[in-house]
Amino acid sequence: EAQVTQNPRYLITVTGKKLTVTCSQNMNHEYMSWYRQDPGLGLRQIYYSMNVEVTDKGDVPEGYKVSRKEKRNFPLILESPSPNQTSLYFCASSPIRFAGVNYGYTFGSGTRLTVV
Amino acid sequence: QQQVKQSPQSLIVQKGGISIINCAYENTAFDYFPWYQQFPGKGPALLIAIRPDVSEKKEGRFTISFNKSAKQFSLHIMDSQPGDSATYFCAALNYGGSQGNLIFGKGTKLSVKP
Repeated sequence: EAQVTQNPRYLITVTGKKLTVTCSQNMNHEYMSWYRQDPGLGLRQIYYSMNVEVTDKGDVPEGYKVSRKEKRNFPLILESPSPNQTSLYFCASSPIRFAGVNYGYTFGSGTRLTVV
Repeated sequence: QQQVKQSPQSLIVQKGGISIINCAYENTAFDYFPWYQQFPGKGPALLIAIRPDVSEKKEGRFTISFNKSAKQFSLHIMDSQPGDSATYFCAALNYGGSQGNLIFGKGTKLSVKP
């Protein structure tokens, strides 16, 4: 089944303790992206990657790191999490070219992160 | 200039009615406008999308209307059903620029009453 897999689904951590949220896709997509979703703010892009070793900042990159060493994986790293990073995080992937007009990112099921 | 403004924030519609969600953008470089549907506990899923060279696209009960001169686009859900109750996001992308940089509106929570 074509899918984007994030782990873990739920995570509670303490301020300052480094964590990594993993993301993997099995569709051989070039583009991958991380979004955070907060009530009233919608989906805001953190980072995206166009291909292996190529990444770019989205709208809210502060406090986050990413890496793209393999095409299928795009982990999100929080070096020193803070309570304002408590959020619902989504990983997504897309092919480099639009598949007709209905291009779109395929999203994972989300990771709910709480930083206390 | 990268913003996509979406309204209303929430919407209650009776079963069988028409749901209308509106979005506006400023960046004229945007040339691809998808709508996403999100159910509780799930990730967003692509619903329907349009390019600015057409003014309307219809797929089943879902229609996008696009007004390039006004920089506005909207989603119409005809014959709304309780199963349509979800959060809807409009989005925009510069196809000719950075295809990875998909910008979302803040979302509309739709409730369809039986």
